[in-house]
Amino acid sequence: QVQLEQSGAEVKKPGSSVKVSCKASGGSFNNYAINWVRQAPGQGLDWMGGILPIVGSPQYAQKFQDRLTITADESTNTVYMELTRLTSEDTALYYCARDYESYSGVLDPWGQGTPVSVSS
Amino acid sequence: EIMMTQSPATLSVSPGERATLSCRASQSVSSNLAWYQQKPGQAPRLLIYETSTRATGIPARFSGSGSGTEFTLTISSLQSEDFAVYYCQQYDNWPTWTFGQGTKVEVK
Repeated sequence: QVQLEQSGAEVKKPGSSVKVSCKASGGSFNNYAINWVRQAPGQGLDWMGGILPIVGSPQYAQKFQDRLTITADESTNTVYMELTRLTSEDTALYYCARDYESYSGVLDPWGQGTPVSVSS
Repeated sequence: EIMMTQSPATLSVSPGERATLSCRASQSVSSNLAWYQQKPGQAPRLLIYETSTRATGIPARFSGSGSGTEFTLTISSLQSEDFAVYYCQQYDNWPTWTFGQGTKVEVK
């Protein structure tokens, strides 16, 4: 049964970048997309983008297109999410989530979440 | 982008009662609709996909219905562990997935 383990909490300055990792264990890595979803404090879920490691071409939500990079390292079963030009509005809990079985876009399981705080 | 609208924002229900949550899509998503449950301090958990298929381990008191633009999640008899926030999500419009804003189910 696959599990997703994310990197730890981050505190960043406005204008900087953050890179969060998501390591998969216990199941297939290459054949299922890993997605990134964020949740601002007290708010709902916002899909950011995803990558199918075996293909390697990431897909991004339009609102993040110009400052989000998602990459996959097949040698370590790890997916990375890098967000640049951070502002206070990027303060959120960032989750990775894998596609469920063969259903592209159905998300399960989820990582534990990585808090990112952006403050001067 | 397909917009997902959930109603109501908050639903007050007594334990043992039925809860009915609604989700509307701004355009047809066929049957490509999922529901998630999120409890405080936890990651979301998949409940339902393909509109009405329960994910592994999800109790039968959770059921989904609908098609096109109108969807419903029903919890037949609320248990204490069911009080949470529920999100619908469309996965029809590849590769952009969108969530509703959530419905909080609270104790009446």
